[in-house]
Order: sequence, then C-alpha cells, then structure tokens
Amino acid sequence: DAGVIQSPRHEVTEMGQEVTLRCKPISGHNSLFWYRQTMMRGLELLIYFNNNVPIDDSGMPEDRFSAKMPNASFSTLKIQPSEPRDSAVYFCASRGPTGGGNTIYFGEGSWLTVV
Amino acid sequence: AQSVTQPDIHITVSEGASLELRCNYSYGATPYLFWYVQSPGQGLQLLLKYFSGDTLVQGIKGFEAEFKRSQSSFNLRKPSVHWSDAAEYFCAVGAVTGGGNKLTFGTGTQLKVEL
Repeated sequence: DAGVIQSPRHEVTEMGQEVTLRCKPISGHNSLFWYRQTMMRGLELLIYFNNNVPIDDSGMPEDRFSAKMPNASFSTLKIQPSEPRDSAVYFCASRGPTGGGNTIYFGEGSWLTVV
Repeated sequence: AQSVTQPDIHITVSEGASLELRCNYSYGATPYLFWYVQSPGQGLQLLLKYFSGDTLVQGIKGFEAEFKRSQSSFNLRKPSVHWSDAAEYFCAVGAVTGGGNKLTFGTGTQLKVEL
C-alpha cells in the first residue's frame, strides 16, 4: 500500500519566491496534518484537516502560510513570500476515520531551504 | 492543552545494553500516547501506541513502553540495543479535539549506539 506521498522531497529557493508543497494522504484516511520540523522548535503542528475542512490552523506561523485541501486525496501548503527562516522539513501526515487512538502516518517530508 | 517532555536530548548506549527513554506528558484526560522513530533523512515511523487496556505495550523492533498514570509517564524500553537503533525518538500525546485527533510531540531524544 502506498503511504503518504509528499512532493517535492527537496527544494532550494530564493527568498521572496513562492513555495508550494504537495501531499497525497493514504487512501481512505480522512484527517490530514501538516507539521514543520526545525532544530530550534522541534515538530510543530501547523494545521490539520478533517474531511477536507480545516479544523485547527492555530499553528500556522503567519499570513505568508496557507493550506488547502480541495479533495480527499490532495493537499497543499503554500508559503508566499518565502523567507530564510522558513527553512525546515515539512511533514504531511494522515489518519483513518475510526477512533481517537488511530495511528497518524507520516510522509517522508519535504526538505525546504530558502536562501 | 497537552504537552510532552522528553528530558534527555542525547543518550549514548553500547550495543547490547538495555535502553530506557523517558517521556512525561500533561493531559487532562486519558491520553493517547505514541512513540515514533526518525532515522536521518526519513519521516517518522510508529514504534508503538497506547490508548487503552494493558499498560505495557509491545511495539516493533523489540521495543516496549509502559503507561504509568500515577507518574504521567510513558517510557520506552528495549532490553538489548542494536546499532541500527541509532535514530531520534519522539514521544507524542494525542488529543481528540474538534472531530480530529492531533498529536503534540516532545522535543525528541537522539540515541547514539556505540559498537
């Protein structure tokens, strides 16, 4: 079975450019999460969706960040304009519909460097 | 709000020695607890989880963890460490909120295995 698929795996971009990260959750999963990982702050939840609806975006750092989930099989995280401090690994994760203890499965991450 | 503390940032053990990684959580109700492992350049892989029943849970790769409500702890153990266990380990607590389930992660413990 395919896991959570993220693209691009690595991206280097210049400050001020728009960055779009993509995620395909596991088929049948109805919750999707975007996390950011940095050395300084560890793993931070940015936003999560349930049934394609954003439930909690309190972790989104500022207006430069936006996330969408137009359908059950696709989500994007966009940074516009990007800044060097956005350099991090961005993980997408998904969870199935049954029970609060259900496992959250992570993608392999998108490694973003903003120069 | 829930929180997780992993008091040990780095731990070094000899191959074949036993291992215990500490995790303390703060949560107002019965928590869902998880341990994930992250190898360099990879995403997070679930080792084990607890959400009800037996407080001693078995996971993959020979790991186990024990939920102790009185101590608000969920320590990860392995009787004999292998060199391939060198990685970063994250404890997480899950809360069922707003129709979703979001995880809050600890800051991680980096495990080094000496041959």
